[in-house]
Amino acid sequence: AQSVAQPEDQVNVAEGNPLTVKCTYSVSGNPYLFWYVQYPNRGLQFLLKYITGDNLVKGSYGFEAEFNKSQTSFHLKKPSALVSDSALYFCAVRELNTGNQFYFGTGTSLTVIP
Amino acid sequence: KAGVTQTPRYLIKTRGQQVTLSCSPISGHRSVSWYQQTPGQGLQFLFEYFSETQRNKGNFPGRFSGRQFSNSRSEMNVSTLELGDSALYLCASSTTGTGNVRAKNTEAFFGQGTRLTVV
Repeated sequence: AQSVAQPEDQVNVAEGNPLTVKCTYSVSGNPYLFWYVQYPNRGLQFLLKYITGDNLVKGSYGFEAEFNKSQTSFHLKKPSALVSDSALYFCAVRELNTGNQFYFGTGTSLTVIP
Repeated sequence: KAGVTQTPRYLIKTRGQQVTLSCSPISGHRSVSWYQQTPGQGLQFLFEYFSETQRNKGNFPGRFSGRQFSNSRSEMNVSTLELGDSALYLCASSTTGTGNVRAKNTEAFFGQGTRLTVV
């Protein structure tokens, strides 16, 4: 079965500092991994994805994520956090070959402190 | 290209009533999924429709049902509403990408959601 874990409910970081939001996954085959961001009372917005190829994936708003197969991780990173990055972040894995379903993590609330 | 459209954006219903939510996917997307989001339970998968057929179903009671039309628009219905059904209901559309490891459009696109309040 596919699953995603986001071990931190809350991450606080000072503006200008690098940020990391953690995600680990469990899949039976090749993982298709995604990061989404959600602002209050809004839907989820796609940030980036890993399908195949380079382990470092670059996405929207300066975010990037590193796929690590040996550690089954897909952590979201940004070199310099902005106050406007404060939001809820979701990691997801998609099961393409069998069910097409997305599996989402529980979300991590990121607060960037001015 | 228009995004995913959910209507209505806000809804207030009374316990015991029923409600129907609508989702229009991005043109060309044939997969529509529904999620319930609450502060306590996070994002929970309800069901997914593809070509008018329910392909996946989450762990929700039978009061929650859905359907998809030939134009890929989807509706979700909740009967006999309970206070605990108060939530943000999100719809997402995507292409299938099934078995295609080089698929360019494997991500899901979400609507703004419908905020349902049951009183």
